[in-house]
Amino acid sequence: GEDVEQSLFLSVREGDSSVINCTYTDSSSTYLYWYKQEPGAGLQLLTYIFSNMDMKQDQRLTVLLNKKDKHLSLRIADTQTGDSAIYFCAESLTGNQFYFGTGTSLTVIP
Amino acid sequence: DADVTQTPRNRITKTGKRIMLECSQTKGHDRMYWYRQDPGLGLRLIYYSFDVKDINKGEISDGYSVSRQAQAKFSLSLESAIPNQTALYFCATSDVDRGYGYTFGSGTRLTVV
Repeated sequence: GEDVEQSLFLSVREGDSSVINCTYTDSSSTYLYWYKQEPGAGLQLLTYIFSNMDMKQDQRLTVLLNKKDKHLSLRIADTQTGDSAIYFCAESLTGNQFYFGTGTSLTVIP
Repeated sequence: DADVTQTPRNRITKTGKRIMLECSQTKGHDRMYWYRQDPGLGLRLIYYSFDVKDINKGEISDGYSVSRQAQAKFSLSLESAIPNQTALYFCATSDVDRGYGYTFGSGTRLTVV
């Protein structure tokens, strides 16, 4: 299967920007996603980007895609304590099969 | 009501017992999935279905079976539960909107003792 890698932990201070990184192996991936999982809950789709895009912005969230390096990042501006959660990167070639990273646990320090 | 509902939320069962986890959705999506989540391993696909007559094995289907009773219902069965099936199980749906991104249920925490 495909390999999607993320660092396990990230801590930031409230009000700072958070940047969560992800690398993937399949250069043919068509769709790339970011999900958020809060304690005791299922994953929630935050945003997604098509592989023909370099950047996508949605309010406080900015997704950057570097296809050459197979690197995806999620930037959260003005990070709040409610942003504390586990963030998963995922990729899909065709929208049929998806491959998830192991998740990055974001802790926001007040 | 939640878009994707899983029952039960929590279940403790004994080794060797048969157990069924249920999932229903109001999204009207054709595609439905079962995943399990284990600490440090992320999410792994068990089975998926693209319509009522379509069932496909995922990465870790051994020891599991599924039934797609209707477009809105997709159940997962453990025929003879074993302790290493202790995990958090998620049902999800998807469609072409949002780039096939998933809508997940809240999960079923299963413990096999």
